[in-house]
Amino acid sequence: DSGVTQTPKHLITATGQRVTLRCSPRSGDLSVYWYQQSLDQGLQFLIQYYNGEERAKGNILERFSAQQFPDLHSELNLSSLELGDSALYFCASSQGGGFGNTGELFFGEGSRLTVL
Amino acid sequence: AQKVTQAQTEISVVEKEDVTLDCVYETRDTTYYLFWYKQPPSGELVFLIRRNSFDEQNEISGRYSWNFQKSTSSFNFTITASQVVDSAVYFCALSEPSYNNAGNMLTFGGGTRLMVKP
Repeated sequence: DSGVTQTPKHLITATGQRVTLRCSPRSGDLSVYWYQQSLDQGLQFLIQYYNGEERAKGNILERFSAQQFPDLHSELNLSSLELGDSALYFCASSQGGGFGNTGELFFGEGSRLTVL
Repeated sequence: AQKVTQAQTEISVVEKEDVTLDCVYETRDTTYYLFWYKQPPSGELVFLIRRNSFDEQNEISGRYSWNFQKSTSSFNFTITASQVVDSAVYFCALSEPSYNNAGNMLTFGGGTRLMVKP
C-alpha cells in the first residue's frame, strides 16, 4: 500500500459527460501529480501541484483541469468526455515539489475511466 | 525532448532464471533522475528505485540489481533467480524539470512485460 488513495476505482460514463477523480496524497507529502495511462499513449504526465500551486504541466487537454485543496487532496476534472479519454488515471505524491528535492514518487492504484 | 526506450516489449523466462530489463534514455540535462516502477496485474505502480545522474554506483536490493552507465545512457534492471511473483510490466522513467526547476515531470518508457513461468 503506497499510502496514496484514489477514488473512484472504476467509473463508466458516456461521451460528453463530466467526471471528477479524487486523490489523497500520502501523509506528509505536499506534491500531487496526475498521470494518464492508455494503450496507445502509454503513461503520460498531466500536471503537478505543490502545496496548492501548479508546478508543472504536461500534455493536459484543455477539457481537463485539476486543483489541489488546502487539505492537500487533489481533484482531476475531465469534461466533454470522448471515447479516447478512456484510460487509467494515476495520482502520485511526493514530499518535495521542485526538481531535485522531489524524492520518491508513490502512485495510487489508479482510477479506471471507461467512456462509452 | 527527453525520451526513454525500453526495447524489450515482452520477455518470458522460466522460474529461477536471471533476467535483465534494458532501459536507454535521452536527455540534454546534466542533472536528472531515473526510476524503475513495477506494475503487477492488479494495476498499481510500485516504486522500485530512484537514482540521480551523479551517482553511478550500482545498487543491489535482494534479488534486484540496477546497472547505471552514463556513458551508454542506460539504466538496466536485473532480477536474479526470478519468481512467478515477479511477473509484471516494468517501467523505466526519467525525471525532467519543469520551467524554473519548480516542478518535476516523469517521462516513462513503453514498459517491458515480464512473464515468469513456473
